[in-house]
Amino acid sequence: AAGVIQSPRHLIKEKRETATLKCYPIPRHDTVYWYQQGPGQDPQFLISFYEKMQSDKGSIPDRFSAQQFSDYHSELNMSSLELGDSALYFCASSLGGANGNYGYTFGSGTRLTVV
Amino acid sequence: EDKVVQSPLSLVVHEGDTVTLNCSYEVTNFRSLLWYKQEKKAPTFLFMLTSSGIEKKSGRLSSILDKKELFSILNITATQTGDSAVYLCAVYASGTYKYIFGTGTRLKVLA
Repeated sequence: AAGVIQSPRHLIKEKRETATLKCYPIPRHDTVYWYQQGPGQDPQFLISFYEKMQSDKGSIPDRFSAQQFSDYHSELNMSSLELGDSALYFCASSLGGANGNYGYTFGSGTRLTVV
Repeated sequence: EDKVVQSPLSLVVHEGDTVTLNCSYEVTNFRSLLWYKQEKKAPTFLFMLTSSGIEKKSGRLSSILDKKELFSILNITATQTGDSAVYLCAVYASGTYKYIFGTGTRLKVLA
């Protein structure tokens, strides 16, 4: 069965560079959520989109932006990278927004290392 | 094949009841197990468990991990209608850089 696809799996960037992470939801899922988990830290909710509109915002830095496209995939853009941005970034998708009665599926994550 | 199984899939209780949600797993290089709650917004993080036999508590919620028997339970005492949600369990396996999620337990608490 198709799952949530994230790309790339691993990414190494230098400080002050820009990175773009991509998330392709389960087919027909219309909602995407982004999470960040730093080494040894609890996962932090960043942002979510429902039907291509931002639906909820968490602790996303101003240097980050995200959007959901017409095919429902989402991209997380990270600029002026800092060492502290090194983390596992994972996304999840669902159908019908946070009130949907369908399953909730997470991707495998993208591990970003800033050097 | 790595997998995480949650049970029950769905549960309906009355306010004041105590519920126990189960999460069993089979993964290589287990590192941590996480519990999440999904209600009317993005899932919120509840607990991260890494050590066997150590209970974590937060108000009426508590969770414990058994690394020998490969499972975790999430207890909710004196349930309230606000506890109605989907509870997700995820296991992180080091070396694979990925989370493996269960399908969740849908809890409904009736007034």
